[in-house]
Amino acid sequence: GESVGLHLPTLSVQEGDNSIINCAYSNSASDYFIWYKQESGKGPQFIIDIRSNMDKRQGQRVTVLLNKTVKHLSLQIAATQPGDSAVYFCAESPGNQFYFGTGTSLTVIP
Amino acid sequence: TAGITQAPTSQILAAGRSMTLRCTQDMRHNAMYWYRQDLGLGLRLIHYSNTAGTTGKGEVPDGYSVSRANTDDFPLTLASAVPSQTSVYFCASSATGGTEAFFGQGTRLTVV
Repeated sequence: GESVGLHLPTLSVQEGDNSIINCAYSNSASDYFIWYKQESGKGPQFIIDIRSNMDKRQGQRVTVLLNKTVKHLSLQIAATQPGDSAVYFCAESPGNQFYFGTGTSLTVIP
Repeated sequence: TAGITQAPTSQILAAGRSMTLRCTQDMRHNAMYWYRQDLGLGLRLIHYSNTAGTTGKGEVPDGYSVSRANTDDFPLTLASAVPSQTSVYFCASSATGGTEAFFGQGTRLTVV
């Protein structure tokens, strides 16, 4: 099976600071990657995605970086806000399925 | 737009009983998925369907079955529930492989 892991299970940041969440993936055949945000009691919500032919993609306050050499993915959140507190999952897709990591819990300190 | 609807929201089920978790999407997505989420283990793929009429096994398929009679519905059946199947179950769909998956709100199942 797939193995997608996160380096840190929890992360606390001050409001206004930048957050960086890391993820390691194992399948070199994965060509599509997604970051999801999950708030308590809700289903995962799409944040940003990136394909394997890119190494960086930016959204509104979020940036995803992909390093295929070391099979590493990161999510950067600029000017972190209290509403960003949630669990963040990376997912890899080598084909038609998605395989998720265990998640990082982000807490924003006011 | 409703997106993906799961039912029930929560359920307590006696061990040995059967149950079907329902999932319906109105986005005409080809692919649908069932995941279970357990603390510390993230989301694990149970079964998936790339298109109506086809299904496939994910990472943890044992004890579960699915069907995909049409595009919109993807029910998950537990034939004889066991306590280890206590979990939160999420249904998801995507237009095709390689595009983002949209998730339902989940079904919290407790097997006692």
